[in-house]
Amino acid sequence: KAGVTQTPRYLIKTRGQQVTLSCSPISGHRSVSWYQQTPGQGLQFLFEYFSETQRNKGNFPGRFSGRQFSNSRSEMNVSTLELGDSALYLCASSLDGGTVETQYFGPGTRLLVL
Amino acid sequence: SQQGEEDPQALSIQEGENATMNCSYKTSINNLQWYRQNSGRGLVHLILIRSNEREKHSGRLRVTLDTSKKSSSLLITASRAADTASYFCATDFLTSGTYKYIFGTGTRLKVLA
Repeated sequence: KAGVTQTPRYLIKTRGQQVTLSCSPISGHRSVSWYQQTPGQGLQFLFEYFSETQRNKGNFPGRFSGRQFSNSRSEMNVSTLELGDSALYLCASSLDGGTVETQYFGPGTRLLVL
Repeated sequence: SQQGEEDPQALSIQEGENATMNCSYKTSINNLQWYRQNSGRGLVHLILIRSNEREKHSGRLRVTLDTSKKSSSLLITASRAADTASYFCATDFLTSGTYKYIFGTGTRLKVLA
């Protein structure tokens, strides 16, 4: 079974621009979660999507948004990029996001904002 | 603030030695999981321990959970150079009817050959 894939792997943007990241979960997984990882803040939960609906949300500003398609693929969008948005963005999938479940992580997208 | 805090932040040991890292959390949890991350890549799930369990083993890994102290430890026995990575604990807890997953700050383990 193919693992979680994320595209692109690396991205360089400038302040004020917007960016869209993509995540394809493991086949059959319906829950996709997004995380931001920075050296200063560590791994922080952004949001979780299940069956095309946002089911859970972390404490991030509205510039961070996401969506999920009927095939469970998910995208996250960051508008009006700031320097502090430079981070590794990780997505993780699981069968249905229930509590006793393992999340499978993708390799991440490394975003650099200049 | 983050749910999980880990210590030590960094650990350097010789191959063959045991490595112990600790995780503390703040609120009641359902489960606690440990993950490994190699050099800025994705996380790999290692082991899950439920809140009603006290100890769990998987190969060279041993995890303990003390819910009264809100803490967990991960022991890696007979460490290898390939164990060099960052290790994170993650807790899930119910809030406002849904589960949230919070990761600890991580321990950077370096195993010297």
